Amino acid sequence: EADIYQTPRYLVIGTGKKITLECSQTMGHDKMYWYQQDPGMELHLIHYSYGVNSTEKGDLSSESTVSRIRTEHFPLTLESARPSHTSQYLCASSKTPGGSSYNEQFFGPGTRLTVL
Amino acid sequence: GDSVTQMEGPVTLSEEAFLTINCTYTATGYPSLFWYVQYPGEGLQLLLKATKADDKGSNKGFEATYRKETTSFHLEKGSVQVSDSAVYFCALGTGFQKLVFGTGTRLLVSP
Repeated sequence: EADIYQTPRYLVIGTGKKITLECSQTMGHDKMYWYQQDPGMELHLIHYSYGVNSTEKGDLSSESTVSRIRTEHFPLTLESARPSHTSQYLCASSKTPGGSSYNEQFFGPGTRLTVL
Repeated sequence: GDSVTQMEGPVTLSEEAFLTINCTYTATGYPSLFWYVQYPGEGLQLLLKATKADDKGSNKGFEATYRKETTSFHLEKGSVQVSDSAVYFCALGTGFQKLVFGTGTRLLVSP
C-alpha cells in the first residue's frame, strides 16, 4: 500500500488567489513528481525533484512553482490562480533503484482544482 | 525521443469478454514498461510491470509481455468484470527516472 497523500482533494477558488497544493509521502522516497491531468486524461509532467533542495521543470510549461525542503514534502504553489489552471493535479514519488532496474512511481489520490 | 502509443478508447465490452489494449513504444536503450490503472476520482495505481525483453507482468488476471522485436506491451485479460471499468495507461521508464505515459484508454464494462 503506497503512502502518499495529497490535500486538499477538491478546491474551488476565485481568480487571483494564491494556492498551495500539499503532497507528502512516508516511504522515504528521494524522487517526487507533479503531473497535471487534463480532462482528456492525458498526463503532463510539470515538476520533479531528485531530492532535498532539488527541483526541475517538467515537460509541460507551468506557472506553478515547487519546493523540496524536506524529503517527505513537495508542495506546489500557484501565486495567482486563473481559470486556465483548472485541472487535476497528481503527485507521485519513487525510490532510486539499485542496479539498472527502474522503480515504479507511486501516486497520490490527486487534487481537483477549479478556478472560477 | 521516447514515446508511448496506446489505442484510443473508449473500449466497450460486456462482462466476461476478452480484453486487449494495444501499446507500442519508441525508446532508446532498454526501458522498463508499466501498466497503470486509474479508477474514477482516484490517482494512478501500478497494475503490472516488466523490466526486460520477454518478461511477462501479471496482476489481478491482467497480463502483458514485453516484446522487444515488435516494441509492444499489450494488456490482456481473459474475462473482464464490471469492476475493471477504469482508465488504463501504458508507460515506459526512462534513464532519467521519469515516466513517459500514453494518452490512456478508457474501458467500460457492462453487465
